[in-house]
Amino acid sequence: DVKVTQSSRYLVKRTGEKVFLECVQDMDHENMFWYRQDPGLGLRLIYFSYDVKMKEKGDIPEGYSVSREKKERFSLILESASTNQTSMYLCASSLNPHGNNEQFFGPGTRLTVL
Amino acid sequence: QKEVEQDPGPLSVPEGAIVSLNCTYSNSAFQYFMWYRQYSRKGPELLMYTYSSGNKEDGRFTAQVDKSSKYISLFIRDSQPSDSATYLCAMSARVYRETSGSRLTFGEGTQLTVNP
Repeated sequence: DVKVTQSSRYLVKRTGEKVFLECVQDMDHENMFWYRQDPGLGLRLIYFSYDVKMKEKGDIPEGYSVSREKKERFSLILESASTNQTSMYLCASSLNPHGNNEQFFGPGTRLTVL
Repeated sequence: QKEVEQDPGPLSVPEGAIVSLNCTYSNSAFQYFMWYRQYSRKGPELLMYTYSSGNKEDGRFTAQVDKSSKYISLFIRDSQPSDSATYLCAMSARVYRETSGSRLTFGEGTQLTVNP
């Protein structure tokens, strides 16, 4: 079974802190994604990566950066956390662009910024 | 205007009812259509996948795609309390480029409650 794990289920941070969210997948997938999920807005893509050290902006990249130094690990960084970044963050991975593009999701990290 | 529109509900039905969940979309390039199910405090998981137009059945679940109307549906027969979850439609275009082909566009999700 594909497994996508996220470093924390719940996280509370203060405004201005630097926040790291880690995601690891164990099935050698090329693609990895970071989304945030908010009521009334659904899933919105922040960044994705199609290879090690490669990244592309999604629909809402402002205030975020990412790092992919190893194939299995994709990190989301909030350089200076703000209250409007309070959200559920979901990581996903998929095998490659060819085929059905099924994405496998982690359990999510609920981040609260005070 | 959003590329994918989905009624967020909430939808509440009695056990045994037939449930119909729907999405409309505007991008005619979409070729791959999926339904994800998300239980409370969990990540989404793939429920059904359809390529291009047509129907696909899996047990109590049927997915339909009508590309001419840009409309997709998920039907749940004999609904059970364990079906209570948020259902998200997702779709993507045919792959022309390595990077763009892997993106999915999601609907907002419909929250379903099946009452015993």
